Amino acid sequence: DVKVTQSSRYLVKRTGEKVFLECVQDMDHENMFWYRQDPGLGLRLIYFSYDVKMKEKGDIPEGYSVSREKKERFSLILESASTNQTSMYLCASSQRLSGGRANVLTFGAGSRLTVL
Amino acid sequence: AQKVTQAQTEISVVEKEDVTLDCVYETRDTTYYLFWYKQPPSGELVFLIRRNSFDEQNEISGRYSWNFQKSTSSFNFTITASQVVDSAVYFCALSVTSYDKVIFGPGTSLSVIP
Repeated sequence: DVKVTQSSRYLVKRTGEKVFLECVQDMDHENMFWYRQDPGLGLRLIYFSYDVKMKEKGDIPEGYSVSREKKERFSLILESASTNQTSMYLCASSQRLSGGRANVLTFGAGSRLTVL
Repeated sequence: AQKVTQAQTEISVVEKEDVTLDCVYETRDTTYYLFWYKQPPSGELVFLIRRNSFDEQNEISGRYSWNFQKSTSSFNFTITASQVVDSAVYFCALSVTSYDKVIFGPGTSLSVIP
């Protein structure tokens, strides 16, 4: 059974702390994504990666960075957490199809981050 | 720029009613994919369907059906004879050629009342 695993389901952090959200997939997918989900706003793309050590900014990259040192692992980093980063964070992966379009996304269960 | 709009924020229906969830997309790409995902109360998004831009055939899968119309840039989703288990947030999404991005709409929250 294919899986995307997010290391923490719930986190509570303080303003200014550095936060790491880890995501691992076991499907040998090329693409990996980090989304943020907020009520009324749907899923917004923070960063994505189409290969090891490659990253591209999504729609809301400010305040975040990412790391992809291995194909199966994609980490989201909040260098200095702020209260407006309280949200649900979703990791996903997909194959890459011909022409560069992403295939079906497989999602992790999500990480709910609260910043106090 | 690419965009996905789901104008219906919340819908409530009584069990066994039919319901249609609307999705309108914008893209200048001529080749793209459209998707629907379901997010049940447990939280994990589940893939429902993928459609490429060259295939305008409607699709039916059990109680689910999808109507893709390029002329109106719409990809609507109908649930026939709704059930309580259909209660979820449904997202429409678009995948375009540039850097494998997948763009989601804001979602429609469906509540099916027994």
